[in-house]
Amino acid sequence: EPEVTQTPSHQVTQMGQEVILRCVPISNHLYFYWYRQILGQKVEFLVSFYNNEISEKSEIFDDQFSVERPDGSNFTLKIRSTKLEDSAMYFCASRGGRNSEQYFGPGTRLTVT
Amino acid sequence: GQQVMQIPQYQHVQEGEDFTTYCNSSTTLSNIQWYKQRPGGHPVFLIQLVKSGEVKKQKRLTFQFGEAKKNSSLHITATQTTDVGTYFCAGQMRGYGGATNKLIFGTGTLLAVQP
Repeated sequence: EPEVTQTPSHQVTQMGQEVILRCVPISNHLYFYWYRQILGQKVEFLVSFYNNEISEKSEIFDDQFSVERPDGSNFTLKIRSTKLEDSAMYFCASRGGRNSEQYFGPGTRLTVT
Repeated sequence: GQQVMQIPQYQHVQEGEDFTTYCNSSTTLSNIQWYKQRPGGHPVFLIQLVKSGEVKKQKRLTFQFGEAKKNSSLHITATQTTDVGTYFCAGQMRGYGGATNKLIFGTGTLLAVQP
């Protein structure tokens, strides 16, 4: 069964450093998402991406965040200057059709020290 | 803003007992999805409900979508230890479609099952 993959599984970085989280969505999917989950809390929407542009972003997704689909397979989330409060699990998700379900990747645990 | 609340936050049951989690949205939903997240894992899609009053079953799991499309429930009959995890509802807001369809996740219910 096709699945969403994410790398790395765990990233430790120092405050102020840039990080890039990588995702490979399911190959025929068209809609891509990033969510985050702070430990013990609910999953929060960050950004949606379709047709090579951001379709919606949340208040969390400020100027420090950016997304890119540099080629036909990867979908990346960049945090320019990490803060302690960026420590969380980041999930990538993708979906195929307009009303179909979203499939989540295994997540990247980001720890900012 | 749009909020989706779930109760209870935590439920501890003996194996074989039933379990129900309730989900309430502050706004009318286009559809609602349910996910299960095992400890240390990622959300795994369980089901999507679209129609007002819809009821769907998956083996021991029964999902309902309210008539007003603002609430939903998940009921597990005769829980097993494999049911352990956090159950999240996630709503797609009415009026959003096409390129967005972001999910607004509920606060989750953590289910613990004692053998």
